[in-house]
Amino acid sequence: AQKITQTQPGMFVQEKEAVTLDCTYDTSDPSYGLFWYKQPSSGEMIFLIYQGSYDQQNATEGRYSLNFQKARKSANLVISASQLGDSAMYFCAMRGYSGAGSYQLTFGKGTKLSVIP
Amino acid sequence: DSGVTQTPKHLITATGQRVTLRCSPRSGDLSVYWYQQSLDQGLQFLIQYYNGEERAKGNILERFSAQQFPDLHSELNLSSLELGDSALYFCASSVANDWSEGGNAEAFFGQGTRLTVV
Repeated sequence: AQKITQTQPGMFVQEKEAVTLDCTYDTSDPSYGLFWYKQPSSGEMIFLIYQGSYDQQNATEGRYSLNFQKARKSANLVISASQLGDSAMYFCAMRGYSGAGSYQLTFGKGTKLSVIP
Repeated sequence: DSGVTQTPKHLITATGQRVTLRCSPRSGDLSVYWYQQSLDQGLQFLIQYYNGEERAKGNILERFSAQQFPDLHSELNLSSLELGDSALYFCASSVANDWSEGGNAEAFFGQGTRLTVV
């Protein structure tokens, strides 16, 4: 079974500063994928970034980067130059095999990020 | 806009009632996944359909059922509703059966249906 742990229920960051949101995972699958989603107060789930378990380089998407440390089973999200619009819940998720040829996304509990002006 | 459409956005109903939530996946996506997000359980996978066939089941109650139609839209049916069923229900779609195919790793989520059972 897969497990995702986000140990920071809430975080504050000053506008224009960088912030790291922690995510650790546990899986016995050799092949997996790690995702980060943003959920603003309006409720929708917005895909931010993806890292495959065999990817050699850390994923980056604009101001988002994923600090992937496979041996430590961590996949931290780094947001550079925080903006007020970054205030939201952030979920780490892992795609893993769930049997019968199917894969699922397992989500962490989320981290609520608040950006301070 | 993710391209995944869920209706209705909000639903208020009484205990014991039955409701149907609808999801239209992105054009070309064959897989539809249903998730439930509640305050105490977080985001939980309910069920997956691929091209009309059920592919995987998660923590879905027997009172809940789903189907995917030939036009690939999906419906989640919730019956004998209880107060604890109040949650945000998400539908997600992807082009592949298992997200590991086709190089497209992204799953697109709809805006969710907020169900309140009173």
